[in-house]
Amino acid sequence: DADVTQTPRNRITKTGKRIMLECSQTKGHDRMYWYRQDPGLGLRLIYYSFDVKDINKGEISDGYSVSRQAQAKFSLSLESAIPNQTALYFCATSDSFTHEQYFGPGTRLTVT
Amino acid sequence: GDSVTQMEGPVTLSEEAFLTINCTYTATGYPSLFWYVQYPGEGLQLLLKATKADDKGSNKGFEATYRKETTSFHLEKGSVQVSDSAVYFCALSIGGKLIFGQGTELSVKP
Repeated sequence: DADVTQTPRNRITKTGKRIMLECSQTKGHDRMYWYRQDPGLGLRLIYYSFDVKDINKGEISDGYSVSRQAQAKFSLSLESAIPNQTALYFCATSDSFTHEQYFGPGTRLTVT
Repeated sequence: GDSVTQMEGPVTLSEEAFLTINCTYTATGYPSLFWYVQYPGEGLQLLLKATKADDKGSNKGFEATYRKETTSFHLEKGSVQVSDSAVYFCALSIGGKLIFGQGTELSVKP
């Protein structure tokens, strides 16, 4: 079984809709992250959480919110989706010692 | 601010050719440096890392040396294979967060 899972893997939604992307991990890591990937821009950090009670904004948090429901679960919400949020979204986890991050398979989101 | 710059792609090579993908960084502290690889349709996988100046990371025939004097972490492989075709990302870790370069697409032809 995969260590970091994301659901859904693909989603098409309409402008103005609320959508939630979910991430679960079995690695036992404290730290979790949400990124978006756009062609030619690499990955940009949206939000990150170093433990269950810790939530921090990343580089591009506007239009997004997150919830850390448990050590193993970290969800990303788009309250009112817009077309420029069309992207590939990745969840990642890490421990606090090595700083190596482990990525999920990604969610391809299309906002029409 | 902290940043990572990679050479632009796509890079197209023939099988068994030598590979170099340039990466330079700007950081106020002493970051750890990473190379990640993304195969088509997949998430990113850690390829190698180096945590301090002059460290060499290596894995699967790839290697990169942390050069503080030139603020670089260039990725090299002596003989690429078709299976190495992927997008390669250089990244630095500072404050527990990763900052990525824009990625370099590598295509290896038989």
